[in-house]
Amino acid sequence: GNSVTQMEGPVTLSEEAFLTINCTYTATGYPSLFWYVQYPGEGLQLLLKATKADDKGSNKGFEATYRKETTSFHLEKGSVQVSDSAVYFCAVGPGGTSYGKLTFGQGTILTVHP
Amino acid sequence: AAGVIQSPRHLIKEKRETATLKCYPIPRHDTVYWYQQGPGQDPQFLISFYEKMQSDKGSIPDRFSAQQFSDYHSELNMSSLELGDSALYFCASSSRLAGGIGTQYFGPGTRLLVL
Repeated sequence: GNSVTQMEGPVTLSEEAFLTINCTYTATGYPSLFWYVQYPGEGLQLLLKATKADDKGSNKGFEATYRKETTSFHLEKGSVQVSDSAVYFCAVGPGGTSYGKLTFGQGTILTVHP
Repeated sequence: AAGVIQSPRHLIKEKRETATLKCYPIPRHDTVYWYQQGPGQDPQFLISFYEKMQSDKGSIPDRFSAQQFSDYHSELNMSSLELGDSALYFCASSSRLAGGIGTQYFGPGTRLLVL
């Protein structure tokens, strides 16, 4: 089955620092890739997604590029804010016209200090 | 925009009791997924339904059952609760009719505590 490996956290940054959270996956075929964010006490919110190789997903200043050659989907943001403090989950899902479960990484806790 | 609704948001039960969690998907979404997130863990897939039929099954205990109703809402029934069932239970919904990859949108979760 599919699997996802995220960089271990927690990650602690100062406001306006550059953020990278690494994510690699194993999957058959051409999966879809996602980043979800979970704020304290809340549910999972879709942050961005990419459905095919070299696609770049972006939202709220966050970006991630689907790299099939390295099976990676690293999350980046140029300048983090205190409000970005949350848990970030990388996930892999079925691709093409398939439908099915998501497989999540273990999550990375991000704390941003003023 | 309307989101996935889950009820209750919090639930406290004793061991060996039963619990029912409800999920109301985004309007016009036809697929519902259930996930379980233990403390400090990533969400684990339990079960999914498409057009009221079970479409996939993950690591769901035999003590749990679920169904999707004609109005597309879903219920997760949990019996003989154990301490280890304490977790955050998420429901997600997606639409096959909309085409594309069926992106899953998650509800706020039901936090179950078994004492």
